[in-house]
Amino acid sequence: EAGVVQSPRYKIIEKKQPVAFWCNPISGHNTLYWYLQNLGQGPELLIRYENEEAVDDSQLPKDRFSAERLKGVDSTLKIQPAELGDSAVYLCASSRDSEQFFGPGTRLTVL
Amino acid sequence: DQQVKQNSPSLSVQEGRISILNCDYTNSMFDYFLWYKKYPAEGPTFLISISSIKDKNEDGRFTVFLNKSAKHLSLHIVPSQPGDSAVYFCAASEGRAAGNKLTFGGGTRVLVKP
Repeated sequence: EAGVVQSPRYKIIEKKQPVAFWCNPISGHNTLYWYLQNLGQGPELLIRYENEEAVDDSQLPKDRFSAERLKGVDSTLKIQPAELGDSAVYLCASSRDSEQFFGPGTRLTVL
Repeated sequence: DQQVKQNSPSLSVQEGRISILNCDYTNSMFDYFLWYKKYPAEGPTFLISISSIKDKNEDGRFTVFLNKSAKHLSLHIVPSQPGDSAVYFCAASEGRAAGNKLTFGGGTRVLVKP
């Protein structure tokens, strides 16, 4: 069974530029999560999807962050414009039941 | 307000000895607890979990203990092996249903010396 796939693995951009991250969850997993992990900290939930519906986006900074999960499979997380403080690892996870499977993450560096 | 805390950022242990990782939580609504293991440049992987109806769960070399009254759980690794060197995250949720939000601690970096 293929795991959660994320791309790109690394991204370096200048502040105020837009950036997008892509996630392909495990086949058959209806629930998809985007997490933010700052250095030395645990993952923090940004948004959770049940199929194509965002059911928990309370922690998503909606002024600059947006996400979509068209057709209830792949998902994209976007930041526009990026700020220095957005430098972190962005993790995608998916689940069918209580166990969440994580992708390798995208490490974003904003200069 | 950190609802899940891992107060030891790092732990060093000799191969073959026991590793004990601790985790405290403040939210009394949490009733399902998990440990994840993370290697560099990889995502966290599920290790072991425990429901609040139990006080112990064992899986091979890994045992998780839960003390509900103290709002404390611990992970024991016996015996520790060099391949166990990783960052370990404690996580908690309200219920075990699919999609329940996980709240993570800050992680403990474990180094197992040969």
